[in-house]
Amino acid sequence: EAQVTQNPRYLITVTGKKLTVTCSQNMNHEYMSWYRQDPGLGLRQIYYSMNVEVTDKGDVPEGYKVSRKEKRNFPLILESPSPNQTSLYFCASSLDSLGNQPQHFGDGTRLSIL
Amino acid sequence: AQSVTQLGSHVSVSEGALVLLRCNYSSSVPPYLFWYVQYPNQGLQLLLKYTTGATLVKGINGFEAEFKKSETSFHLTKPSAHMSDAAEYFCAVSVGMLTFGGGTRLMVKP
Repeated sequence: EAQVTQNPRYLITVTGKKLTVTCSQNMNHEYMSWYRQDPGLGLRQIYYSMNVEVTDKGDVPEGYKVSRKEKRNFPLILESPSPNQTSLYFCASSLDSLGNQPQHFGDGTRLSIL
Repeated sequence: AQSVTQLGSHVSVSEGALVLLRCNYSSSVPPYLFWYVQYPNQGLQLLLKYTTGATLVKGINGFEAEFKKSETSFHLTKPSAHMSDAAEYFCAVSVGMLTFGGGTRLMVKP
């Protein structure tokens, strides 16, 4: 089954404790992206990757890091999480970065930073 | 830069009534347009998309949307609401990067 898998689905942690949210897709997609969803703001892009070893900042990259060492994986790293990063996070992938292909989304990761 | 405005963060309709969710966008170049639906505790699923060609686009679950360039709109409609349509709906515009509107939560009353 074609899917985007995120882990963990839920995480409660404390300020400053490094964490990683994993994302994996099995569709051989070139383009992958991370979003955060906050009430009333829709989804805002954090980082994206057009292919292996190619990543770039989205609209709200501060406080986040990503890497794309393999085509299928695109982890999101919070080196020193802060309470304003409490949010619902989605990983997504699409065939390419041309913009006319729909994105496939994971089920989300709800992060609470205390 | 592109932007998307969804009018009404909450819309309530009765079962069987027309559903109309509004979306207006701004873009300096012809955009690709999408509607996504999000059910509780799930990710976003594609409802429909407009890339080129016919301006009336049909999607899944009986939804359709019409691209109106002169009005910079891409409103989502469904003739008859069903209880299972209750969800949050997001309009998005793509000019390379995908930009989402703030979302509209649709509630369906029995």
